[in-house]
Amino acid sequence: GNSVTQMEGPVTLSEEAFLTINCTYTATGYPSLFWYVQYPGEGLQLLLKATKADDKGSNKGFEATYRKETTSFHLEKGSVQVSDSAVYFCALVDTGRRALTFGSGTRLQVQP
Amino acid sequence: KAGVTQTPRYLIKTRGQQVTLSCSPISGHRSVSWYQQTPGQGLQFLFEYFSETQRNKGNFPGRFSGRQFSNSRSEMNVSTLELGDSALYLCASSFQTSGRATIYEQYFGPGTRLTVT
Repeated sequence: GNSVTQMEGPVTLSEEAFLTINCTYTATGYPSLFWYVQYPGEGLQLLLKATKADDKGSNKGFEATYRKETTSFHLEKGSVQVSDSAVYFCALVDTGRRALTFGSGTRLQVQP
Repeated sequence: KAGVTQTPRYLIKTRGQQVTLSCSPISGHRSVSWYQQTPGQGLQFLFEYFSETQRNKGNFPGRFSGRQFSNSRSEMNVSTLELGDSALYLCASSFQTSGRATIYEQYFGPGTRLTVT
C-alpha cells in the first residue's frame, strides 16, 4: 500500500536558518503530493501541493519539488522565522481511493 | 468564504458511552472526509462521504460510523467508547465533481478533541 516517510524531529533551527524536511513516498501510479502544517491547538492547513513529476509547489517562502526518480518531496525554506514553528506533514493522495496518506509529522522549532 | 467548522471543539466522555461529532464543510464542497489523529498512530483516514454516500472507508471497527446530509454537513458517531478512542478528530472538505478529480485538495477544520475516561 501507500506510505510516506518523514525525517524524525524535532528540528531546531535559529531564525533565518535554511530549512529542509525530508519526505519520501511509496505509491503505485502517480499520486498527488502535499505538505500540510499544523500549529498548536489547530487543524491542518494546506501549505503547498504538486500533482506531477517535476512540479514545484510553493507558498509563503516554502518550496517542494515532486521528484519521481527518487520518490521524494522535500520541503525547503531559505530563511525560517519563529512563526514557522509548527508540525509539518507530508501526504499523498491516491486518486482511486480519495484518501490522504500522511507521514508521521516533523516538529519544527525556530529559536529567536 | 467560511472555513470548515467542527462542533464541539472539546468533549469528555466515559467508556461505554457513544458520541456524535459534527462537521460543516466549506460552502460548495460536496466531499467530506474524517481523520483520527493520535500521538501513537498519527493521522489515519476514517471515511469519506460524497452526496450522502460513503465512498471510502479506512481500517476502523464498525463502532465508527458516519453520515452526510443533503446540505453536505456530516456527522460521525462512535459507539461503545474505549479509552483508545481518545484523539483529535479532524474533518476535511473538498470540492469535487462526481467524476475523477485530477487535483484533490482537502481543507481541514480545527478538530474535535475527544477524551474518554
